Amino acid sequence: GAGVSQSPRYKVAKRGQDVALRCDPISGHVSLFWYQQALGQGPEFLTYFQNEAQLDKSGLPSDRFFAERPEGSVSTLKIQRTQQEDSAVYLCASSLDAGGSDTQYFGPGTRLTVL
Amino acid sequence: AQSVSQHNHHVILSEAASLELGCNYSYGGTVNLFWYVQYPGQHLQLLLKYFSGDPLVKGIKGFEAEFIKSKFSFNLRKPSVQWSDTAEYFCAVNGIGTDKLIFGTGTRLQVFP
Repeated sequence: GAGVSQSPRYKVAKRGQDVALRCDPISGHVSLFWYQQALGQGPEFLTYFQNEAQLDKSGLPSDRFFAERPEGSVSTLKIQRTQQEDSAVYLCASSLDAGGSDTQYFGPGTRLTVL
Repeated sequence: AQSVSQHNHHVILSEAASLELGCNYSYGGTVNLFWYVQYPGQHLQLLLKYFSGDPLVKGIKGFEAEFIKSKFSFNLRKPSVQWSDTAEYFCAVNGIGTDKLIFGTGTRLQVFP
């Protein structure tokens, strides 16, 4: 009965470093989402997977951001050459099926601070 | 452009007061609507959702929301709040056939005993 888990929970990076954020969705969930939440804002969509296929990456802010879900389960969000504006909480969510009415279950997030 | 507006950024209430949090959306086409809540130190969790049928939706912990299509609104209500309702509340929308959620900026609710 585990929920969505994310690691690490906190990450501090120096500007220019690469980081990798991991998401373990609920077992059997087809859809996986990444969102970015800046301080005082609501979550903003980054990218969406249905199984291993990345169907929407329209929210990725630049080509420094890359996400993958190679076996249709665990997903990794990679940020290359981090910048201060990348500081935010990165949220992962999963849902059982595709289809907009399905509930998305959120993980605790990874708080990224870029110095 | 698709967007969600939450008019109240910070609401302070005493226990037993009634609550109404505003949410308006801009989205072409048929929508699904959601309210999520984030309690202090916890992750986002679903309060309630609307995708079809009765526009008055009841969720967990005594919350309800009414979808008014003509006003593009989905306001959240609770007749009598408790101290444990202190949290941040997010309204979100997506379109039929799309999955990504568009969130509002959130409303921080503080309830004092």
